[in-house]
Amino acid sequence: DGGITQSPKYLFRKEGQNVTLSCEQNLNHDAMYWYRQDPGQGLRLIYYSQIVNDFQKGDIAEGYSVSREKKESFPLTVTSAQKNPTAFYLCASSIGAGDINEQFFGPGTRLTVL
Amino acid sequence: GQNIDQPTEMTATEGAIVQINCTYQTSGFNGLFWYQQHAGEAPTFLSYNVLDGLEEKGRFSSFLSRSKGYSYLLLKELQMKDSASYLCAVLDSNYQLIWGAGTKLIIKP
Repeated sequence: DGGITQSPKYLFRKEGQNVTLSCEQNLNHDAMYWYRQDPGQGLRLIYYSQIVNDFQKGDIAEGYSVSREKKESFPLTVTSAQKNPTAFYLCASSIGAGDINEQFFGPGTRLTVL
Repeated sequence: GQNIDQPTEMTATEGAIVQINCTYQTSGFNGLFWYQQHAGEAPTFLSYNVLDGLEEKGRFSSFLSRSKGYSYLLLKELQMKDSASYLCAVLDSNYQLIWGAGTKLIIKP
């Protein structure tokens, strides 16, 4: 079945450590996105990528980094520079960015920094 | 700035009808999406409106008025499984999705 996978579902890290969240899709979508979701707030865009080897900062990119070496994969690294990293992280993909296509979401990773 | 407003929480009774409103102020408009999100899970697509009027899809309908910057999601014949958060999102002039905080819908028997 086609879809988006994120792993792990729950992740615990100590303060000051970098951590990488995985996102893989087999939908053959060009565009991929990373969002952060906090209680009582809308989804906030961290980074997005329209094509392999290219990505753009979203509204809250500080303290995060991404790569897009393969069409299927868009990992997110939460660095120690991110002041408040504990959150629910959602990865999404769509056929192409810059159009009206719906976004498909992965199941999310809940990151807790201790 | 860009802003999307939705009620934080609503309660309705099983079998009834509920209307969830969304108002928006964005830089440009290329359509409005509604997503459903069960607690701890991924959002799933419900509807997309770009022209004024009502789009019906089974028990769910979505309405848009671009002149008023207003949309609503109408859920009929409510079922317990409809308990979820409903997210309104607007595609702005740069084709970026601007998300509302979501409306948590509680269904009571």
